Amino acid sequence: GESVGLHLPTLSVQEGDNSIINCAYSNSASDYFIWYKQESGKGPQFIIDIRSNMDKRQGQRVTVLLNKTVKHLSLQIAATQPGDSAVYFCAENRPRLIFGQGTTLQVKP
Amino acid sequence: DSGVTQTPKHLITATGQRVTLRCSPRSGDLSVYWYQQSLDQGLQFLIQYYNGEERAKGNILERFSAQQFPDLHSELNLSSLELGDSALYFCASSPGQGSNQPQHFGDGTRLSIL
Repeated sequence: GESVGLHLPTLSVQEGDNSIINCAYSNSASDYFIWYKQESGKGPQFIIDIRSNMDKRQGQRVTVLLNKTVKHLSLQIAATQPGDSAVYFCAENRPRLIFGQGTTLQVKP
Repeated sequence: DSGVTQTPKHLITATGQRVTLRCSPRSGDLSVYWYQQSLDQGLQFLIQYYNGEERAKGNILERFSAQQFPDLHSELNLSSLELGDSALYFCASSPGQGSNQPQHFGDGTRLSIL
């Protein structure tokens, strides 16, 4: 079956450090992936996406890496700030979004 | 602000009742998606409409139905409500009907069944 899983339910980092949130997917035919951030009381907010013909994509302070060989996706956040504290979901879009369970990022001051 | 508007923000009702959740997509988006988010199930896709027509169906119960109107807003109808229907219901929208594009979410409706 299809599933998208995140490795850790909670990640705690020091403010200013880099954060890495991981995600594994099981369907090798997946060709599009998205990362979302969800703050308390809000809906998921689009962060960045990547297509399967790419290995890396960069945004503002964020980088997504895709390793199709091991079916692994990661989100890197540079210089993590308190405002980055949220739940992060990876999602596979084929055509409906299949979400992982989410990783809670806690930023320590 | 994603541009997707959902009303109401909160809804409290009793078992057996019927409610309607409303969603206005981002300007220019033709697809509307509905999701249910509960603590034990995470985010689950319910249904997608594109330009007024149903396009994809997920784990939507028969007691639930949806529609998209000519002005592209959508409504999700939940009937014969049960305690287990308590959850956050999100609407998302995208420009086209295809899979390879971001969906943008509203802030949801929190449904509480007493």
